[in-house]
Amino acid sequence: NAGVMQNPRHLVRRRGQEARLRCSPMKGHSHVYWYRQLPEEGLKFMVYLQKENIIDESGMPKERFSAEFPKEGPSILRIQQVVRGDSAAYFCASSPQYSNQPQHFGDGTRLSIL
Amino acid sequence: AQSVTQLDSQVPVFEEAPVELRCNYSSSVSVYLFWYVQYPNQGLQLLLKYLSGSTLVESINGFEAEFNKSQTSFHLRKPSVHISDTAEYFCAVSSGTYKYIFGTGTRLKVLA
Repeated sequence: NAGVMQNPRHLVRRRGQEARLRCSPMKGHSHVYWYRQLPEEGLKFMVYLQKENIIDESGMPKERFSAEFPKEGPSILRIQQVVRGDSAAYFCASSPQYSNQPQHFGDGTRLSIL
Repeated sequence: AQSVTQLDSQVPVFEEAPVELRCNYSSSVSVYLFWYVQYPNQGLQLLLKYLSGSTLVESINGFEAEFNKSQTSFHLRKPSVHISDTAEYFCAVSSGTYKYIFGTGTRLKVLA
């Protein structure tokens, strides 16, 4: 998984707090995707971003979740007022273009809500 | 809508035995198919991909998968597994857009 860097690897939050997950894509990649993996399930698409643009957020919960990919710096997935059900592994992937190039994944952030 | 089915949630197999992990998909359009492997507490690593051309694709560590359009399958096989192959394997489908649809995964456990 060299290249796509996610931090932190583990994040613990209490209910009601905010969680911020960061993702730096592979060098040369300008497309970022966020996925969520619930226990015993596969990955579910959340959002697709390019620099300064949200292309598709159809997989994002309508409330409390937001994502950005600024001109400078990593992509951020932000979860406000976390609840127990937000506990999951959140994976970021990147690609140089969205067509048929495989997405490369980071090691994920495992979010635990107390 | 596209979907991916991995029928086996867990597959135990003895070391040096062959293994097949099944993946079936449904799609009304042409697809790209992928197998990813996930080791504990790590992200997904691309194992192999089918984009076009030869229907049999191989990875560098001995896995292979065959795209079967008539059976809408993309099963993963290895003739002789090692302990180090113990991991979770995910099949994914894409119609050429950015949205990957993942299966629920198959846990391969290689026994000594």
